[in-house]
Amino acid sequence: DVKVTQSSRYLVKRTGEKVFLECVQDMDHENMFWYRQDPGLGLRLIYFSYDVKMKEKGDIPEGYSVSREKKERFSLILESASTNQTSMYLCASRRATGRKGDTEAFFGQGTRLTVV
Amino acid sequence: DAKTTQPTSMDCAEGRAANLPCNHSTISGNEYVYWYRQIHSQGPQYIIHGLKNNETNEMASLIITEDRKSSTLILPHATLRDTAVYYCIASLLTGGGNKLTFGTGTQLKVEL
Repeated sequence: DVKVTQSSRYLVKRTGEKVFLECVQDMDHENMFWYRQDPGLGLRLIYFSYDVKMKEKGDIPEGYSVSREKKERFSLILESASTNQTSMYLCASRRATGRKGDTEAFFGQGTRLTVV
Repeated sequence: DAKTTQPTSMDCAEGRAANLPCNHSTISGNEYVYWYRQIHSQGPQYIIHGLKNNETNEMASLIITEDRKSSTLILPHATLRDTAVYYCIASLLTGGGNKLTFGTGTQLKVEL
């Protein structure tokens, strides 16, 4: 079974803190993604990485950065946490190529971050 | 990824078929249609995908129109456990640097 593991299920941080959200996958997937999910807004893509050290901005990258030093690990960094970054954060991974479109994404269980 | 449009919510009686529509009128020839669902408090889960032929697996069936501008996910005998948000996505076969963009999905409520 593919496993995508997020380091924390719940996290509470103070405004202004630097926050690291970690995601690890065990299937040698090239692509990894970070989303945030808020009521009524669906899943919004923050950043994605298509290979080690490669990253691209998603739809809402402001206030976030990412790091992918190893293939299995993709970190989301909140440089200076703010209350409007209180949200559910979801990590996903998938293979870059596959026959017959078998490049489905696998998600972690999510990290619910509260910034106070 | 091509933009997809789905109804915000749908209801279905338990035991009946749930038919969830998706419009993807700008889909390109090499983009697959993927469906995922998200049960409350969990990460999204893959259901099924297809290119132009209808597809069926143990979870659902996917019907894609001949012009590929729309598709329907069918849960043949919906149960209460199928209550979830369902997402339709159009994405290229070769991921490479392609984004995986979700929208707001359809909230399906299965009732007794």
